[in-house]
Amino acid sequence: AQSVTQLGSHVSVSEGALVLLRCNYSSSVPPYLFWYVQYPNQGLQLLLKYTTGATLVKGINGFEAEFKKSETSFHLTKPSAHMSDAAEYFCAVRTPTDSWGKFQFGAGTQVVVTP
Amino acid sequence: GAVVSQHPSRVICKSGTSVKIECRSLDFQATTMFWYRQFPKQSLMLMATSNEGSKATYEQGVEKDKFLINHASLTLSTLTVTSAHPEDSSFYICSANRGGETQYFGPGTRLLVL
Repeated sequence: AQSVTQLGSHVSVSEGALVLLRCNYSSSVPPYLFWYVQYPNQGLQLLLKYTTGATLVKGINGFEAEFKKSETSFHLTKPSAHMSDAAEYFCAVRTPTDSWGKFQFGAGTQVVVTP
Repeated sequence: GAVVSQHPSRVICKSGTSVKIECRSLDFQATTMFWYRQFPKQSLMLMATSNEGSKATYEQGVEKDKFLINHASLTLSTLTVTSAHPEDSSFYICSANRGGETQYFGPGTRLLVL
C-alpha cells in the first residue's frame, strides 16, 4: 500500500519569500512522484514529476522538487513567491507496477501569498 | 499537448433527476480514464477507473448503480449520476492517461443538486 502525507494544510508566505511545501510518502517500491497545482474551481495542473534519473526535478512556474529516497520525501520549493502562486497544491504518488496507473493524493496544502 | 476537457463545467439539477458529465481527451487517445470527486477544501477521492470498451472498476464504497461510467471510445468517458440527491453535490474531476506515467486532468464539473 502507498500513502502520501503533506505537512501543513495551510502555508502563508510573503511575496518574494521562499515557498516550501512538504511531502512524504510511503511505498513498498520506488514510486513515481508528482506535484499538481489547483486554482479555485479548476482541475489540476501538473507542476513537475519524478520517475527515474536525476533526483532534482524542475517544473513550471519556477518550482522544483527533490526526491530523497532516504527520507522518503519529495518537497516542493520555489525561491521567490509570486501572488499568482496562491493556490492549492497536491502531492501524488503512483506505484510504477500498478497497471491501472492509479494515484494516491495527499490532503493538499493551501498556499496564501501576502504582499 | 495532453488536453482534457469536461462538459458541462457547471450543472444544477433537481433531486431525482440524472446528470451526465463528459470527459474528453482532445489531442490524444487515453488508455485509461479516472473519475474523482472532490469535496470543498479536501483532496481528490478516486471513484473509478475506466478503460475503453470494458467495465469500469469502482473504488470501495462507490455505488456502481449510482455513478454509471461509460467509456465508449479512446477519447470519451462519461459519468452519469443517477437519481441525484443533494448529497451528490460536489466537484467532479476526470483525468486521462495516455500510456505514460502522468495523469492529465480536466477542468472539473461543479454539480449542485437542489
